[in-house]
Amino acid sequence: QVQLKESGPGLVQPSQTLSLTCTVSGLSLTSNSVSWIRQPPGKGLEWMGVIWSNGGTDYNSAIKSRLSISRDTSKSQVFLKMNSLQTEDTAMYFCARTRGNFDYWGQGVMVTVSS
Amino acid sequence: DIVMTQTPSSQAVSAGEKVTMSCKSSQSLLYSENKKNYLAWYQQKPGQSPKLLISWASTRESGVPDRFIGSGSGTDFTLTISSVQAEDLAVYYCEQYYDTPPTFGSGTKLEIK
Repeated sequence: QVQLKESGPGLVQPSQTLSLTCTVSGLSLTSNSVSWIRQPPGKGLEWMGVIWSNGGTDYNSAIKSRLSISRDTSKSQVFLKMNSLQTEDTAMYFCARTRGNFDYWGQGVMVTVSS
Repeated sequence: DIVMTQTPSSQAVSAGEKVTMSCKSSQSLLYSENKKNYLAWYQQKPGQSPKLLISWASTRESGVPDRFIGSGSGTDFTLTISSVQAEDLAVYYCEQYYDTPPTFGSGTKLEIK
Protein backbone atom coordinates (compact mmCIF):
# COMPACT_ATOMS: atom_id res chain seq x y z
CA GLN A 1 0.00 0.00 0.00
CA VAL A 2 1.05 3.58 -0.55
CA GLN A 3 2.67 5.26 2.44
CA LEU A 4 4.46 8.54 2.94
CA LYS A 5 6.34 9.51 6.08
CA GLU A 6 7.91 12.83 6.94
CA SER A 7 10.95 13.21 9.14
CA GLY A 8 13.09 16.06 10.35
CA PRO A 9 13.93 18.26 13.32
CA GLY A 10 11.11 19.43 15.51
CA LEU A 11 12.83 22.67 16.46
CA VAL A 12 14.68 25.12 14.24
CA GLN A 13 16.21 28.41 15.24
CA PRO A 14 15.16 31.62 13.50
CA SER A 15 17.17 32.44 10.36
CA GLN A 16 18.30 28.81 10.07
CA THR A 17 17.54 26.28 7.34
CA LEU A 18 14.86 23.61 7.59
CA SER A 19 15.55 20.21 6.08
CA LEU A 20 12.81 17.62 5.86
CA THR A 21 12.62 14.19 4.26
CA CYS A 22 9.58 12.39 2.89
CA THR A 23 10.11 8.65 2.54
CA VAL A 24 7.60 6.93 0.30
CA SER A 25 6.70 3.29 -0.16
CA GLY A 26 4.31 1.52 -2.48
CA LEU A 27 4.95 3.94 -5.33
CA SER A 28 7.76 4.99 -7.62
CA LEU A 29 8.92 8.60 -7.68
CA THR A 30 9.67 8.31 -11.39
CA SER A 31 5.97 7.89 -12.10
CA ASN A 32 4.46 9.86 -9.23
CA SER A 33 4.66 13.48 -8.11
CA VAL A 34 4.99 14.60 -4.49
CA SER A 35 4.08 17.93 -2.93
CA TRP A 36 4.90 19.58 0.36
CA ILE A 37 1.99 21.23 2.15
CA ARG A 38 2.09 23.00 5.50
CA GLN A 39 -0.43 23.97 8.14
CA PRO A 40 0.27 26.49 10.91
CA PRO A 41 -1.30 25.58 14.25
CA GLY A 42 -5.05 26.12 14.12
CA LYS A 43 -4.94 27.41 10.55
CA GLY A 44 -5.51 26.20 7.01
CA LEU A 45 -3.45 24.42 4.39
CA GLU A 46 -0.79 26.02 2.21
CA TRP A 47 0.75 24.27 -0.78
CA MET A 48 4.47 24.86 -0.83
CA GLY A 49 5.71 23.12 -3.92
CA VAL A 50 5.90 19.94 -5.96
CA ILE A 51 8.47 17.70 -7.55
CA TRP A 52 6.97 16.15 -10.63
CA SER A 53 7.53 12.61 -11.77
CA ASN A 54 9.95 13.90 -14.42
CA GLY A 55 12.03 15.65 -11.75
CA GLY A 56 10.85 19.16 -12.54
CA THR A 57 9.68 21.41 -9.73
CA ASP A 58 7.14 24.16 -9.11
CA TYR A 59 6.99 26.37 -6.06
CA ASN A 60 4.54 28.68 -4.34
CA SER A 61 5.65 32.14 -5.41
CA ALA A 62 5.26 33.43 -1.84
CA ILE A 63 8.16 31.28 -0.64
CA LYS A 64 9.91 30.38 -3.87
CA SER A 65 13.05 32.34 -3.05
CA ARG A 66 13.58 30.32 0.14
CA LEU A 67 12.49 26.85 -0.96
CA SER A 68 14.09 23.91 -2.72
CA ILE A 69 12.57 20.48 -3.34
CA SER A 70 14.64 17.55 -4.60
CA ARG A 71 14.57 13.78 -4.57
CA ASP A 72 16.58 10.58 -4.52
CA THR A 73 14.62 8.07 -6.55
CA SER A 74 16.85 5.16 -5.53
CA LYS A 75 15.95 5.76 -1.89
CA SER A 76 12.33 6.74 -2.58
CA GLN A 77 12.87 10.01 -0.77
CA VAL A 78 11.80 13.58 -1.41
CA PHE A 79 13.58 16.45 0.32
CA LEU A 80 12.52 19.92 1.35
CA LYS A 81 14.97 22.67 2.19
CA MET A 82 13.79 26.10 3.23
CA ASN A 83 16.12 28.81 4.43
CA SER A 84 15.76 31.98 6.50
CA LEU A 85 13.13 30.49 8.75
CA GLN A 86 10.96 32.81 10.83
CA THR A 87 8.45 32.18 13.59
CA GLU A 88 5.61 32.30 11.06
CA ASP A 89 7.08 29.17 9.47
CA THR A 90 6.05 27.21 12.56
CA ALA A 91 3.68 24.59 11.19
CA MET A 92 2.88 20.96 10.56
CA TYR A 93 4.60 19.94 7.35
CA PHE A 94 3.02 17.24 5.18
CA CYS A 95 4.12 15.48 2.04
CA ALA A 96 1.44 14.14 -0.26
CA ARG A 97 1.18 12.31 -3.54
CA THR A 98 0.02 14.76 -6.14
CA ARG A 99 -2.36 14.09 -8.99
CA GLY A 100 -3.63 17.61 -9.12
CA ASN A 101 -5.39 16.77 -5.92
CA PHE A 102 -3.63 15.01 -3.05
CA ASP A 103 -4.76 11.46 -2.53
CA TYR A 104 -2.16 10.08 -0.14
CA TRP A 105 -0.74 12.08 2.77
CA GLY A 106 1.92 11.48 5.33
CA GLN A 107 1.19 11.88 9.02
CA GLY A 108 3.07 15.18 9.10
CA VAL A 109 5.96 16.52 11.11
CA MET A 110 5.62 19.49 13.46
CA VAL A 111 8.30 22.13 13.07
CA THR A 112 8.64 24.92 15.60
CA VAL A 113 10.79 27.93 14.81
CA SER A 114 12.07 29.34 18.06
CA SER A 115 15.27 30.37 19.77
CA ASP B 1 -3.72 32.75 -7.66
CA ILE B 2 -7.27 31.36 -7.52
CA VAL B 3 -8.95 32.30 -4.25
CA MET B 4 -11.20 29.73 -2.61
CA THR B 5 -13.87 30.98 -0.22
CA GLN B 6 -15.65 28.58 2.12
CA THR B 7 -18.78 29.27 4.12
CA PRO B 8 -19.74 28.94 6.86
CA SER B 9 -16.54 28.86 8.88
CA SER B 10 -18.22 26.57 11.37
CA GLN B 11 -21.53 24.94 12.01
CA ALA B 12 -23.03 22.66 14.61
CA VAL B 13 -25.57 19.98 13.77
CA SER B 14 -27.14 17.02 15.49
CA ALA B 15 -26.43 13.48 14.43
CA GLY B 16 -28.77 12.40 11.67
CA GLU B 17 -29.26 15.90 10.28
CA LYS B 18 -28.31 17.01 6.80
CA VAL B 19 -25.56 19.59 6.44
CA THR B 20 -24.34 21.60 3.47
CA MET B 21 -21.25 23.72 3.10
CA SER B 22 -20.20 26.00 0.29
CA CYS B 23 -17.01 26.61 -1.62
CA LYS B 24 -16.67 29.39 -4.20
CA SER B 25 -13.71 29.99 -6.48
CA SER B 26 -12.52 33.32 -7.87
CA GLN B 27 -12.51 31.85 -11.38
CA SER B 28 -14.11 28.92 -13.11
CA LEU B 29 -12.68 25.49 -12.36
CA LEU B 30 -14.45 23.91 -15.34
CA TYR B 31 -12.05 22.86 -18.07
CA SER B 32 -13.92 23.13 -21.35
CA GLU B 33 -12.07 20.39 -23.19
CA ASN B 34 -12.99 17.57 -20.80
CA LYS B 35 -15.96 19.17 -19.02
CA LYS B 36 -14.37 18.40 -15.66
CA ASN B 37 -14.33 20.62 -12.60
CA TYR B 38 -10.91 20.62 -10.92
CA LEU B 39 -12.25 20.75 -7.38
CA ALA B 40 -11.57 18.40 -4.45
CA TRP B 41 -12.93 18.09 -0.91
CA TYR B 42 -10.90 16.93 2.09
CA GLN B 43 -11.82 15.92 5.60
CA GLN B 44 -9.36 16.62 8.42
CA LYS B 45 -10.19 15.07 11.77
CA PRO B 46 -8.51 16.41 14.92
CA GLY B 47 -4.85 15.43 15.07
CA GLN B 48 -4.90 13.76 11.65
CA SER B 49 -3.72 14.58 8.18
CA PRO B 50 -6.34 15.54 5.58
CA LYS B 51 -8.18 12.78 3.77
CA LEU B 52 -9.33 13.12 0.18
CA LEU B 53 -13.10 12.59 0.04
CA ILE B 54 -14.16 13.84 -3.38
CA SER B 55 -12.40 14.62 -6.66
CA TRP B 56 -13.67 16.29 -9.81
CA ALA B 57 -16.28 18.08 -7.69
CA SER B 58 -18.52 15.02 -7.35
CA THR B 59 -16.56 11.75 -7.55
CA ARG B 60 -16.25 10.01 -4.20
CA GLU B 61 -12.97 8.30 -3.45
CA SER B 62 -12.99 4.59 -2.81
CA GLY B 63 -14.31 3.76 0.64
CA VAL B 64 -15.93 7.15 1.28
CA PRO B 65 -19.49 6.69 2.59
CA ASP B 66 -22.23 7.66 0.18
CA ARG B 67 -23.61 10.19 2.65
CA PHE B 68 -20.86 12.53 1.38
CA ILE B 69 -22.09 14.21 -1.80
CA GLY B 70 -20.21 16.76 -3.85
CA SER B 71 -21.98 18.99 -6.36
CA GLY B 72 -21.61 22.19 -8.32
CA SER B 73 -19.79 23.49 -11.35
CA GLY B 74 -17.85 26.49 -12.55
CA THR B 75 -17.28 28.65 -9.49
CA ASP B 76 -19.88 27.37 -7.00
CA PHE B 77 -19.56 24.06 -5.21
CA THR B 78 -21.26 22.31 -2.32
CA LEU B 79 -20.42 19.44 -0.01
CA THR B 80 -23.47 17.79 1.51
CA ILE B 81 -23.48 15.22 4.27
CA SER B 82 -26.91 13.64 4.01
CA SER B 83 -27.08 12.27 7.57
CA VAL B 84 -24.28 13.44 9.84
CA GLN B 85 -22.62 10.88 12.07
CA ALA B 86 -20.59 11.58 15.20
CA GLU B 87 -17.42 10.48 13.41
CA ASP B 88 -17.89 13.28 10.84
CA LEU B 89 -16.56 15.80 13.37
CA ALA B 90 -13.82 17.46 11.34
CA VAL B 91 -12.75 20.45 9.32
CA TYR B 92 -13.65 20.22 5.64
CA TYR B 93 -11.49 21.91 3.01
CA CYS B 94 -12.05 22.47 -0.67
CA GLU B 95 -9.10 22.70 -3.05
CA GLN B 96 -8.77 23.78 -6.66
CA TYR B 97 -6.30 22.02 -8.88
CA TYR B 98 -7.26 23.82 -12.08
CA ASP B 99 -4.21 26.02 -11.90
CA THR B 100 -0.83 26.19 -10.21
CA PRO B 101 -0.50 26.92 -7.36
CA PRO B 102 -3.26 24.65 -6.06
CA THR B 103 -5.13 26.57 -3.37
CA PHE B 104 -7.34 25.62 -0.47
CA GLY B 105 -10.31 27.24 1.16
CA SER B 106 -10.06 28.24 4.80
CA GLY B 107 -12.21 25.33 5.89
CA THR B 108 -15.60 24.64 7.45
CA LYS B 109 -15.48 23.21 10.95
CA LEU B 110 -18.27 20.75 11.59
CA GLU B 111 -19.30 20.29 15.18
CA ILE B 112 -21.76 17.74 16.48
CA LYS B 113 -24.34 18.95 18.97
